[in-house]
Amino acid sequence: EAEVAQSPRYKITEKSQAVAFWCDPISGHATLYWYRQILGQGPELLVQFQDESVVDDSQLPKDRFSAERLKGVDSTLKIQPAELGDSAMYLCASRPHTSDNEQFFGPGTRLTVL
Amino acid sequence: KQEVTQIPAALSVPEGENLVLNCSFTDSAIYNLQWFRQDPGKGLTSLLLIQSSQREQTSGRLNASLDKSSGRSTLYIAASQPGDSATYLCAVFSSGSARQLTFGSGTQLTVLP
Repeated sequence: EAEVAQSPRYKITEKSQAVAFWCDPISGHATLYWYRQILGQGPELLVQFQDESVVDDSQLPKDRFSAERLKGVDSTLKIQPAELGDSAMYLCASRPHTSDNEQFFGPGTRLTVL
Repeated sequence: KQEVTQIPAALSVPEGENLVLNCSFTDSAIYNLQWFRQDPGKGLTSLLLIQSSQREQTSGRLNASLDKSSGRSTLYIAASQPGDSATYLCAVFSSGSARQLTFGSGTQLTVLP
């Protein structure tokens, strides 16, 4: 069964350092999402891609966060510099093109900023 | 802005009980509603997807209902087992100007052996 892949699964970094997360969606899924989930809360959308284009990044803190999906397949989310408040689970999800299909989530990357 | 609320925040039941988890949302303009399971420190596993035109979906011991007009959904778990212990998240995919998945904060379920 096809799955969304994410790496690394865990990342510990010191504040002010740079960190990057990688996501490989299910093959053929045109839409890719990055979410941030703070402990005890539901995930919140950071950025949405349709193929290689950003559709919605209104909730992405652009002073320190960046995301790209250069060839419309896999994607990278970067934080520079990391802050203590960035400690969270970062989840990637993908969806087929049609609007009513469900989203499939990866295992996430647990980030701890010291 | 779509808001999703889940009640209760935590629930503890003895094994074998039937239980209901509740989810409410403020904007009825949705494409679908999805229930997820999340184990501690893990990603999300999709349990059930209900399209806006549907009233319910069933998978094994799970049954989810949707009343779009009142902005409510329930997840019914029959004959609960310790392995059902997890956090259950409800999410709605809005069809309005902000077409995105909005999550509730989840219900943390503990099934006691």
